[in-house]
Parts: sequence; structure tokens; C-alpha cells
Amino acid sequence: SQTIHQWPATLVQPVGSPLSLECTVEGTSNPNLYWYRQAAGRGLQLLFYSVGIGQISSEVPQNLSASRPQDRQFILSSKKLLLSDSGFYLCAWSGRADNEQFFGPGTRLTVL
Amino acid sequence: EDQVTQSPEALRLQEGESSSLNCSYTVSGLRGLFWYRQDPGKGPEFLFTLYSAGEEKEKERLKATLTKKESFLHITAPKPEDSATYLCAVCFSGGYNKLIFGAGTRLAVHP
Repeated sequence: SQTIHQWPATLVQPVGSPLSLECTVEGTSNPNLYWYRQAAGRGLQLLFYSVGIGQISSEVPQNLSASRPQDRQFILSSKKLLLSDSGFYLCAWSGRADNEQFFGPGTRLTVL
Repeated sequence: EDQVTQSPEALRLQEGESSSLNCSYTVSGLRGLFWYRQDPGKGPEFLFTLYSAGEEKEKERLKATLTKKESFLHITAPKPEDSATYLCAVCFSGGYNKLIFGAGTRLAVHP
């Protein structure tokens, strides 16, 4: 069966510091991968999606970037965090021909 | 503009008191509507996919239905363990595999 991992689970970072969140998927090949951010009381906002290694599409202009160095690895990064980057970050995967997305456990990021 | 609206924002039920959650959408060319359950501090858990008007899916005390403009998640005789936020999302033609999410309905079931 497929599983999706995210780490760290929680992170507290000062403003201006760098960020690296990692997501890995097991049990599937060539998945589509997604990064979402969820603000309190709001729906999930799609940040990036990837259909293959090195292929990244950005949905929202922002302070963040994403990379996919391996087929089942997706990384969310920032060079300098802003207070507004605080939130709950979720990684998800879907099959190539499927619309259903399956989510990881999430990372709670607090920028102080 | 493609949009998903869920109502109510919050719902409090007594154990055994059945009710429905609503998800209305305005998208061009619906490819699928999805329901998720999210517990506090966790990632959303996939529940159902609905593809066409008239379709219904069931899982334990939950039943999801779809019309051309909205979907309902019916909860029959809920238990306290059904307490969670329920999220609705849609996928549309031209949106690749992009999902647009509603803000969710927070359900609390009290014994």
C-alpha cells in the first residue's frame, strides 16, 4: 500500500531564516505531487504541483519554492521566511490518471 | 470564477441526530467532487469521489450525493467519533489535477 511521509511534524523558525520541508511517497511510481498550505479556518490553498522529476508548476506567487529531485521526493523551501509563511503545510500525491489526492500528516510551521 | 462553498461553517449535533452538510460549486466542466475528513492537527483523509449528477457513495454512517450544482454529505445517527472537519473539493476540466477546496464544515457530535 502507499504511504506518504512529511517531516518535520512541527517547526518554529525566526523571520528571515531558511526553510526546507520534505515529503516522500512509498509504494507507488511516477506520482503527481502537491504542496498545499492551510490557514486557520480556511480551505487548502495549492502552492505547487509536479508531474515528474524537475517539473514544478507554481500556483501562487510567493516567498516559497519547490523542487522534486527524485521521483517520490518533493521539497518545499524558502531562503528567507516571512511571518505570513506560518501555517499548516500539507503534501499530497495522486496517480497519473487519477484525480483523488492522498495527503500526508502535515507540518505545522510557526514563524516568529 | 471557479469556487467551492461549504455550509454550515460549524454544526453541533447530539449523538444519533442525523443531518447533512452542503457543498455548492461553480466550475466549468466538473471532473470529480471529493469529500475528505480532517481531524485536528492531521492531514485530510479521503472519503469519497463523485463524478456525475445522481451518483451516491456510502461508507458506514456517511452518504455522499451529487447534483449538477451541489453535493451533500448525509450523516446518519452520528457518534462522537464522527466529530471532525469535513472538506469538499472539486476537480475541473482544464485544471489538470488541481483541486479547489471549500473552507470546510466543523462537525461536533456530543453524547
